[in-house]
Amino acid sequence: GENVEQHPSTLSVQEGDSAVIKCTYSDSASNYFPWYKQELGKGPQLIIDIRSNVGEKKDQRIAVTLNKTAKHFSLHITETQPEDSAVYFCAAPLPRGYSTLTFGKGTMLLVSP
Amino acid sequence: DSGVTQTPKHLITATGQRVTLRCSPRSGDLSVYWYQQSLDQGLQFLIQYYNGEERAKGNILERFSAQQFPDLHSELNLSSLELGDSALYFCASSGGTPNTEAFFGQGTRLTVV
Repeated sequence: GENVEQHPSTLSVQEGDSAVIKCTYSDSASNYFPWYKQELGKGPQLIIDIRSNVGEKKDQRIAVTLNKTAKHFSLHITETQPEDSAVYFCAAPLPRGYSTLTFGKGTMLLVSP
Repeated sequence: DSGVTQTPKHLITATGQRVTLRCSPRSGDLSVYWYQQSLDQGLQFLIQYYNGEERAKGNILERFSAQQFPDLHSELNLSSLELGDSALYFCASSGGTPNTEAFFGQGTRLTVV
């Protein structure tokens, strides 16, 4: 099945700095790459996603880039704020057209004031 | 609020027991997914149902089973519980087509003592 590797497992930044989280995937046929944010005591929530027909997508302070050749995609958060502190998960679909997502192990982001 | 409802929120039970976790998907969503989240394993996919039928299976133990009912709610049954089954169990729902967002519930925290 699809294997998604995520790095780093923890990331500490100062408020206002940028944060980058990287993921690699194994199935070259994958074409949908969402990112989820999980706050303490809550379920994961989609924050941004990208499909393989584009290389980059932005939404205010967050952006995702995709390199299909290298089979990796990254989440970029600029001007980080304390409320960005959470666990972030990347994901990719199971092979063969399933709608099920398989997730990376998560990155705990801590933004210090 | 994602629209996905999970009950109960917390469950404490003894080893060897059996429990049932319940999930009501978002209105209109035909697909339900179950995930297990433990500290060191991230979000592990267990099983997916689509309109009452099993669609995909992940690392679900034989002691665990699930079903989706005609009203589309789903139940995850965990039996012969072990200490290692203590985890957060999430249900997610989607329309069931590939490359679309999955919406997560708030999870059920299971503690086996």
